Amino acid sequence: GAVVSQHPSWVICKSGTSVKIECRSLDFQATTMFWYRQFPKQSLMLMATSNEGSKATYEQGVEKDKFLINHASLTLSTLTVTSAHPEDSSFYICSARRGRDNSPLHFGNGTRLTVT
Amino acid sequence: EDQVTQSPEALRLQEGESSSLNCSYTVSGLRGLFWYRQDPGKGPEFLFTLYSAGEEKEKERLKATLTKKESFLHITAPKPEDSATYLCAVRGLMDSSYKLIFGSGTRLLVRP
Repeated sequence: GAVVSQHPSWVICKSGTSVKIECRSLDFQATTMFWYRQFPKQSLMLMATSNEGSKATYEQGVEKDKFLINHASLTLSTLTVTSAHPEDSSFYICSARRGRDNSPLHFGNGTRLTVT
Repeated sequence: EDQVTQSPEALRLQEGESSSLNCSYTVSGLRGLFWYRQDPGKGPEFLFTLYSAGEEKEKERLKATLTKKESFLHITAPKPEDSATYLCAVRGLMDSSYKLIFGSGTRLLVRP
């Protein structure tokens, strides 16, 4: 069964508004979660690493003020897309590792964001 | 620069027609190579991890193999339900932050 839960699965919002996406690890604690973005027929691109109790680490080119990440507990990370614009429309996917070091990432089912 | 290239981009098979998907990688030391399956509108589903050249893993009709430069995902007698995008990702030895490098995937369609 699923080990990472993501909500909502899709959202449509108007340009200029903010959208929050939740990512939960199910039955395990995740001190680190990872947020990816995927464009149609393209690869997954890591946006940021969410660290419980501390600041997120953002990849080069990702605006930290636009994509706010909060990892308030060991099972919940949130990604807020602030002042969304049509170019932010994409598929956002979170992931977490259950286990140590080289254990695989498990992904949520993604959130399809459409900004009109 | 670490890089992952998958081929072909798309593959159409008849049910029962076996084939292989390729994942070529360039990384400064391999810590792990991962295969995922992704259905449309869903997140990737973990299939296999391979750690060293010569290693093989199997699950139902799928078998993953690894050399020092590439990995293959062999699909034996595929069924329509095997239709999906298959993603390959690598993690380098120098990576301390668990940053996976993904290929762009192979879209597999199995026709009945």
